Amino acid sequence: TQLLEQSPQFLSIQEGENLTVYCNSSSVFSSLQWYRQEPGEGPVLLVTVVTGGEVKKLKRLTFQFGDARKDSSLHITAAQPGDTGLYLCAGGVGGGSNYKLTFGKGTLLTVNP
Amino acid sequence: EAQVTQNPRYLITVTGKKLTVTCSQNMNHEYMSWYRQDPGLGLRQIYYSMNVEVTDKGDVPEGYKVSRKEKRNFPLILESPSPNQTSLYFCASSLGGGRGLAGYTFGSGTRLTVV
Repeated sequence: TQLLEQSPQFLSIQEGENLTVYCNSSSVFSSLQWYRQEPGEGPVLLVTVVTGGEVKKLKRLTFQFGDARKDSSLHITAAQPGDTGLYLCAGGVGGGSNYKLTFGKGTLLTVNP
Repeated sequence: EAQVTQNPRYLITVTGKKLTVTCSQNMNHEYMSWYRQDPGLGLRQIYYSMNVEVTDKGDVPEGYKVSRKEKRNFPLILESPSPNQTSLYFCASSLGGGRGLAGYTFGSGTRLTVV
């Protein structure tokens, strides 16, 4: 079983600050997904990265996949209260019908006004 | 609107009383899956289905059953619920043959309490 370690577990910051959360593993993944889960709702897919070294931007969010495809980071610039939520990374291994997604335990982010 | 619909959203039941949590998706997705989410343990896969009449165990299948008679529906059945099945449950679906390659669409969750 591939394990994904997310850090930090909890993060509480003020509006306007920048932050980075990490997703690390000893395993190589064929792809890496990030989800955000708001209280009382299911996770929502933010991005999928598939190439080592890939960087994707989604407004104030920047996602990076490590060169060795074992880790990923999510950077948020000028955080807003609406960014509050549980951020989950999910690593994919295998291909075709054997592709399997494994989730990390998440980083709970609170952005205070 | 493309979505995964779970019912009920909240359920309190007693030990041993059979229950079914329904899940339906309107996106014609082949792949569907059930997860439970517990504090400190994250999302753990219970069962998944690659297509109609094809189901397989995930990481924590004990105490659960599923069926996939139609492409859109994937109910989760607890034949004899126990308190350790108190949890937040999510149904998810994904386009394509891979198990989540295209990303999951999750339902809004079912909070189950077994007393």
